[in-house]
Amino acid sequence: DTGVSQDPRHKITKRGQNVTFRCDPISEHNRLYWYRQTLGQGPEFLTYFQNEAQLEKSRLLSDRFSAERPKGSFSTLEIQRTEQGDSAMYLCASSLEIGEAFFGQGTRLTVV
Amino acid sequence: DQQVKQNSPSLSVQEGRISILNCDYTNSMFDYFLWYKKYPAEGPTFLISISSIKDKNEDGRFTVFLNKSAKHLSLHIVPSQPGDSAVYFCAASSPRGNAGNMLTFGGGTRLMVKP
Repeated sequence: DTGVSQDPRHKITKRGQNVTFRCDPISEHNRLYWYRQTLGQGPEFLTYFQNEAQLEKSRLLSDRFSAERPKGSFSTLEIQRTEQGDSAMYLCASSLEIGEAFFGQGTRLTVV
Repeated sequence: DQQVKQNSPSLSVQEGRISILNCDYTNSMFDYFLWYKKYPAEGPTFLISISSIKDKNEDGRFTVFLNKSAKHLSLHIVPSQPGDSAVYFCAASSPRGNAGNMLTFGGGTRLMVKP
């Protein structure tokens, strides 16, 4: 399977705990994106990497959120001190410089 | 403010008939438009796209129409099949050097195709 892979698929955590999600993009894609989707809404952009450089961050990405793509391949998204409002589907996507983005299956986070 | 809107949260059509899903946008800088399909518990799957220099793009049963003056696009599915039942998202992007192909999504339309 050469698609975008995300791990874990589901995560339940207690409020205040830290969580980290991983995304493995399509290997030849240099662009990587994180989105967040809540129930009944479309995905919302969080951040964008070109290779290892994080070039854009949405204002949705509070100080508790941090994303990395250390070698320009896989990426991680960490949420510190989780809040109930962080409960959502976190989607990773990758693309070439031109063309559509391909999405992973997402990580569903539930903060209890 | 929502820059991309899908005003119909749901649509029900009979198998074999045409499904028409609509999308409106406000940002005139958008130059590339896409439709994604999403099944429950899965990520969005790319369906079809259109550049702002075109007004129509067709791929099998799927056709996307773009009316730039009205800032409106639509997705036509003919004939509709039960397997098309899913949530459809309209998305748009604009040329922004630091944000790559960042997409702005509409809220989605749930399509139900009845056998």
